[in-house]
Amino acid sequence: KAGVTQTPRYLIKTRGQQVTLSCSPISGHRSVSWYQQTPGQGLQFLFEYFSETQRNKGNFPGRFSGRQFSNSRSEMNVSTLELGDSALYLCASSLGIQGAYEQYFGPGTRLTVT
Amino acid sequence: KNQVEQSPQSLIILEGKNCTLQCNYTVSPFSNLRWYKQDTGRGPVSLTIMTFSENTKSNGRYTATLDADTKQSSLHITASQLSDSASYICVVSPGGKDNAGNMLTFGGGTRLMVNP
Repeated sequence: KAGVTQTPRYLIKTRGQQVTLSCSPISGHRSVSWYQQTPGQGLQFLFEYFSETQRNKGNFPGRFSGRQFSNSRSEMNVSTLELGDSALYLCASSLGIQGAYEQYFGPGTRLTVT
Repeated sequence: KNQVEQSPQSLIILEGKNCTLQCNYTVSPFSNLRWYKQDTGRGPVSLTIMTFSENTKSNGRYTATLDADTKQSSLHITASQLSDSASYICVVSPGGKDNAGNMLTFGGGTRLMVNP
């Protein structure tokens, strides 16, 4: 069974631009969660989608948004990029809601904002 | 506020030695506690998941213990190898009728370096 895939793996953007990251969960998994990881802050929860609905949202500004499609694939978008948005963005999929089921993480997308 | 604290922040040991990483949490009630291993630049990989009723769980050279009364967990690594060099992250999932399905709480991680 294929694991969680994320595209692109690396991305360089300029301040003020917007970016869209993609996540394909493990086949059959209905929940996708997104995380931001920086050296100083560790793993920070962004949001979780389950059956195309956002279930939970972390403490991030509205510039961060996401969506999930009917095939469970998910995208997250960051608008008006800031230098502080440079981070490793991870998505994780699980059979059901994140609290009750084991999460499987993708390799991440490394975003650098210059 | 739900919190997960890990110690030490970093640790250096020699190959072949054992080590123990600590995790203290305030999440209550809780549903399960997870330990992840994360190699640099990669996504975390699950090592163990324990429910509140489990005291210990092993995965090869990794053994996790849980004391739900004191809200403490530890991850013991036996006969360390160079490939164990990574960050180890403790994650707690809240439980209970009003908390089930809520967000996971992540610890800051312990960075382990195994030297030859």
